[in-house]
Order: sequence, then C-alpha cells, then structure tokens
Amino acid sequence: AQSVTQLDSHVSVSEGTPVLLRCNYSSSYSPSLFWYVQHPNKGLQLLLKYTSAATLVKGINGFEAEFKKSETSFHLTKPSAHMSDAAEYFCVVSGGSQGNLIFGKGTKLSVKP
Amino acid sequence: KAGVTQTPRYLIKTRGQQVTLSCSPISGHRSVSWYQQTPGQGLQFLFEYFSETQRNKGNFPGRFSGRQFSNSRSEMNVSTLELGDSALYLCASSLDPLWGLPTSTDTQYFGPGTRLTVL
Repeated sequence: AQSVTQLDSHVSVSEGTPVLLRCNYSSSYSPSLFWYVQHPNKGLQLLLKYTSAATLVKGINGFEAEFKKSETSFHLTKPSAHMSDAAEYFCVVSGGSQGNLIFGKGTKLSVKP
Repeated sequence: KAGVTQTPRYLIKTRGQQVTLSCSPISGHRSVSWYQQTPGQGLQFLFEYFSETQRNKGNFPGRFSGRQFSNSRSEMNVSTLELGDSALYLCASSLDPLWGLPTSTDTQYFGPGTRLTVL
C-alpha cells in the first residue's frame, strides 16, 4: 500500500534563505510522486512531479525535488525563499490498485521578512 | 485553456439537507476525481469518474455519491448532511484515469474548491 509522510507540519524560514520540506514515502510500486502547493483560499497547484525519469525534478517558481529510492524520500527544496512562497505544501504519491492520490498531511511554510 | 471550474464556490446548508456540487474539467480531460479537505483529516479521496463510470471510491459513507456526464462534467451529491461534512471539496481533472494504472504518469489539475458549511 502507498503512504506518504511529511516530516514537518510547519517550517519557518527567513526571506532569501533556503527552503527544505521533507517527505518520505512508502510504495509497493515504482511510484509517481508530486508536490502541490495551496495558497490560502485557493485550490491546489502542481509544483512538480517525478515519474521515473530523472531523479532530480525541477518545478515551477524555482522549486526542485530529488527522488532518492534508497532513502524513500522526495524532499522539496528552493535555494532562496520569497514571501510569496508562504503557503501549505503537500507531498503526494499515486499508483497502486487504489489508483488514487495519497496526500501527506501538509507542511505549512512561513516566510519571515 | 480554461482550468477546472467548480460551482458554487461557497455553500451554507443545515443538517439533514442535501447538496449538489458541480465540476467542469479542463477541456479534453476525461477523468474527474473528488477530494474532501478538512483541518482534522487533511485531503481525502472521495471517488473518481471516467467515461461516466465510477472507477474507484474512497472510504466514505453512501451518503456521498457522484456522477459524470457525457461531456465529462461531474456532480457530487451529499445527502442527509452532518456537521462533519463541513469541508472544502476539491475537484481535479486529468486526461486519463488513475485507476488501474499503477505507474500512471498523468497529472491531476485541481479546481478552486467549494467551501461547504453545515450548520
């Protein structure tokens, strides 16, 4: 069965400093993995996805994530945080017999000026 | 290309009533999935429709139902509303179904959601 664990419920960084949002997954298959972002009162927006091609995936707004099979991790990073990055981020795994998306609990990112 | 649209954006109902939410997928997308988002439970999968057929269903009671029309538009219905049904209901569309495709590479695109409040 698929599962995903976001290791931090809340991360706070200063503007201009790096961002690291951690995600571990469990999957019986070679998973597809996604990161979504949700700004307040908005729907979910896809940041990036991993689909068994390159292990380093580049997304929108300067975000990237690295798939590490040996560590079953898919951490999201950004070199320099911007105030507009403040939002909730969801790590998601898909695949398996259920055929649906399994969402992590979310990590709320705060960016201090 | 227009994104996923959901109507209405906000709804207030009372316990015992029923409600119908609507979702129009991105043009050309044939799969529509529904999710419930609450502060306590997070995001949970409700069901997925493809070609007017329910392909898969999450762990929700029978009060939650849906359907999909020939133009891929989908509706979700909740009967006998309970206070715990207050949530943000998100709809997502994709080109192909996720069910039965363990290595599906397709991407779901989400609508802005319908905020349902049950009093």
